[in-house]
Amino acid sequence: DTGVSQNPRHKITKRGQNVTFRCDPISEHNRLYWYRQTLGQGPEFLTYFQNEAQLEKSRLLSDRFSAERPKGSFSTLEIQRTEQGDSAMYLCASSSPQGGRGASEQFFGPGTRLTVL
Amino acid sequence: QKEVEQDPGPLSVPEGAIVSLNCTYSNSAFQYFMWYRQYSRKGPELLMYTYSSGNKEDGRFTAQVDKSSKYISLFIRDSQPSDSATYLCAMIGGSNYKLTFGKGTLLTVNP
Repeated sequence: DTGVSQNPRHKITKRGQNVTFRCDPISEHNRLYWYRQTLGQGPEFLTYFQNEAQLEKSRLLSDRFSAERPKGSFSTLEIQRTEQGDSAMYLCASSSPQGGRGASEQFFGPGTRLTVL
Repeated sequence: QKEVEQDPGPLSVPEGAIVSLNCTYSNSAFQYFMWYRQYSRKGPELLMYTYSSGNKEDGRFTAQVDKSSKYISLFIRDSQPSDSATYLCAMIGGSNYKLTFGKGTLLTVNP
């Protein structure tokens, strides 16, 4: 399977604990995105990487959130001191500027569902 | 007012019906328009991608964009039970990377 993969698929944690999610984009895609989706809502943009550079962070990404993409390959999203309001589906997407469509065509992974008790 | 408005439904139709899903938007900078399908507890799957005003057809799916009215639509012909999912409209503006989604419309196609 050459699609976007995310691990773990599900994570249950207690309030105050730290969690880390991983995203492996489609190979040769140099752009990687994180979104968060809560029940009954569409995904909301969190942050964006071009290669290893983090180019934008949404105001939704508080200081407790940090994302990295070392060497421009996989990415990790860490949430420190989790709160119940962090419970959501965390989605990763990747895209390539190739093919004349620019960065617009984003392919999503299956997501990591986080439950904070 | 949210940048993208989408009626969340739910929408229930019999098999074989024509389905019409719609979104309106307020940001004139949006240039690219997409429709994603999302099955329960799965990631969104790209269905249709359009750039300019007009229609784009792909099998049973037709995407329509009217930039003058800031209105986009997705039509599904001969709907099937396997089409039952949440349909999300999404748009990209001048940034060329940040997708802005509607809330999604939950569609059920009954056999």
